[in-house]
Amino acid sequence: QVQLQESGPGLVKPSETLSLTCAVSGDSISDGHYWGWIRQPPGKGLEWIGSFYHSGTTYYNPSLKSRVTISVDTSKNQFSLKLRSLTAADTAVYYCARHGYTFGLGYYFDYWGQGILVTVSS
Amino acid sequence: DIQMTQSPSSLSTSVGDRVTITCQASQDISNHLNWYQQKPGKAPKLLIYHASNLETGVPSRFSGSGSGTDFTFTISSLQPEDIATYYCQQYDPLPLFTFGPGTKVDIK
Repeated sequence: QVQLQESGPGLVKPSETLSLTCAVSGDSISDGHYWGWIRQPPGKGLEWIGSFYHSGTTYYNPSLKSRVTISVDTSKNQFSLKLRSLTAADTAVYYCARHGYTFGLGYYFDYWGQGILVTVSS
Repeated sequence: DIQMTQSPSSLSTSVGDRVTITCQASQDISNHLNWYQQKPGKAPKLLIYHASNLETGVPSRFSGSGSGTDFTFTISSLQPEDIATYYCQQYDPLPLFTFGPGTKVDIK
């Protein structure tokens, strides 16, 4: 059973950098899937932040690209999110997720972490 | 950028009723459309992928259809445990992923 677990601070100050980590068990992040981050402001909808492929290629939401970095630590089977220059608008639940893939039937987010609430406030 | 709209934004209906949610893309996305269920305080759960394929373990009362720009998600007989917000999500072109605004389903 694939499991993902987010960790990081629950409170960050405006203008600072958010750092979150997603620990994966039950699958290897080197084994051919995309892995990504999605966020959800309180009471609002879902926004894809970015993803990476096991080859190391990363893809970002154009609206966040200038502030986001996703990195990978294959030795620990985990990946991380850094989001810079935070504002109150970045307050959200942050999820990590795996992209499942079926040939001819596309990509989908099939496994999710439980999410971590990050509040941006001084 | 491809924009996704969903309708209705919310609905309230009775147990046993048929529920239909529509999702429209601003341009042709073929069948690159997934549906998720999210209960309060929980992560989203994949229900339907590639427009009409039921994820393993998901009850058969859930179904999806459509292609191109217009898609439909149906619950054939609403159950109390189906109270949730439902999101469509497209991935065209790869690797960009966009979610619809969501439809909140409640029981009368």
